[in-house]
Amino acid sequence: KQEVTQIPAALSVPEGENLVLNCSFTDSAIYNLQWFRQDPGKGLTSLLLIQSSQREQTSGRLNASLDKSSGRSTLYIAASQPGDSATYLCAVRRAGNMLTFGGGTRLMVKP
Amino acid sequence: NAGVTQTPKFRVLKTGQSMTLLCAQDMNHEYMYWYRQDPGMGLRLIHYSVGEGTTAKGEVPDGYNVSRLKKQNFLLGLESAAPSQTSVYFCASSYGTGGKNEQFFGPGTRLTVL
Repeated sequence: KQEVTQIPAALSVPEGENLVLNCSFTDSAIYNLQWFRQDPGKGLTSLLLIQSSQREQTSGRLNASLDKSSGRSTLYIAASQPGDSATYLCAVRRAGNMLTFGGGTRLMVKP
Repeated sequence: NAGVTQTPKFRVLKTGQSMTLLCAQDMNHEYMYWYRQDPGMGLRLIHYSVGEGTTAKGEVPDGYNVSRLKKQNFLLGLESAAPSQTSVYFCASSYGTGGKNEQFFGPGTRLTVL
C-alpha cells in the first residue's frame, strides 16, 4: 500500500528565507507527483506536477524535484513571502486513477 | 470558466438523515473524484468516475453512493449519515489519467453530523 509522508508537519520562517518542504513515498511505481497549496477553509490549488519520467519542474519561485528511485520529492520555495503562508500537500498518482496524499506541511512566513 | 464548483458549502445533519452533495465542472473533463479530508488523515478518495454513466470505489467508499448521469456533474450521496462522516468533502476533476493530467479541486463542503 502506498504511503506518503511529509516532513515537517509545520514550519515557521522569517520573510525572505529560502525553504525546502519534503515528501516521501513508499512505492516508486508512480505515474506522477503533484504539489498543492491549500489556504485555510479553501480548496486545493495545483502548484506543480512532475511526471514520473521527469526530475524537476519550476514555476516562478517554486521548484519541485522528484527522485523516484529513492521515493522522495522536495518543494523549494525561494525568497519566501507572507503570502506563501498556507498548507502544502504532495500527492502521488498510482494505478487505478487514485491520488495518495501526504498529511501536509503547514507553513507560516512571518513579516 | 468557473472550474469545479460544489454545493452546498456547509451543512449540518442529524444522525440517520440523508443528503446529496453536488459537484459540477465546466472543463469537459472525463474523470471526476470525491475525497474527504480529516485532520491528521490527509485526503482520501471515496469514489471516482472515468466517464458519464460510470463509477468506481476508491479507498473509503463505505456509507456513500455516487452517480454520474451527466458528464459535467458528479453527485455524492449519504443515505444514513453517521458522526464518523463529519468531514470536509472535496470534488476534483481531470481530463484523463496520463502522466500529464492534473486534478483540479473544488472549494469543498464542510459537513457536520450530530
